[in-house]
Amino acid sequence: DAGVTQSPTHLIKTRGQQVTLRCSPKSGHDTVSWYQQALGQGPQFIFQYYEEEERQRGNFPDRFSGHQFPNYSSELNVNALLLGDSALYLCASSRTQRRYGYTFGSGTRLTVV
Amino acid sequence: QQQVKQSPQSLIVQKGGISIINCAYENTAFDYFPWYQQFPGKGPALLIAIRPDVSEKKEGRFTISFNKSAKQFSLHIMDSQPGDSATYFCAASSPNTGTASKLTFGTGTRLQVTL
Repeated sequence: DAGVTQSPTHLIKTRGQQVTLRCSPKSGHDTVSWYQQALGQGPQFIFQYYEEEERQRGNFPDRFSGHQFPNYSSELNVNALLLGDSALYLCASSRTQRRYGYTFGSGTRLTVV
Repeated sequence: QQQVKQSPQSLIVQKGGISIINCAYENTAFDYFPWYQQFPGKGPALLIAIRPDVSEKKEGRFTISFNKSAKQFSLHIMDSQPGDSATYFCAASSPNTGTASKLTFGTGTRLQVTL
């Protein structure tokens, strides 16, 4: 049973560019949450998608946007990249009926230069 | 605003010793307190979790102690092994109607278990 799959694993972008990160949830999961983990810090909640809609959002600017597809997979888009956006971006999936059953992917390491 | 404070930042324990990591929270609406283990290059993996109506939960060598009145909880790793060397995060979650709850994480503790 595949867990949460994220792509790409590593990415280098230039300031001002745009990036798209992808996540396939664990089989049977219908909710996808995205977290940003800066080096040496704990993950910070970005937003959560369920039924193709953004349901909750953390304290992140509008440059961060997302999408969920009918097959429950999700994308995280970041526009106008800043050096401070360099981080590990984690996707976590869960089932709505089990509010606390999160499974995290291994993340995408984004470096902005 | 940091809602979950974690200490220490790093910890070195000898093999067979007890590792203790502490967390404190501010939001009394939190109703679920998990601990995650993260190895380099991997995402966090759930280790053990507790609800505030329980003062202690034990799973194998891992124990959570919870003090609701003090708004503190801690992770104890008994008989620490070199394979336990990782970064540990405490987290907290509050109820959310209709969808999965979001997690608020501490800043992490890097544990090193020496031979």
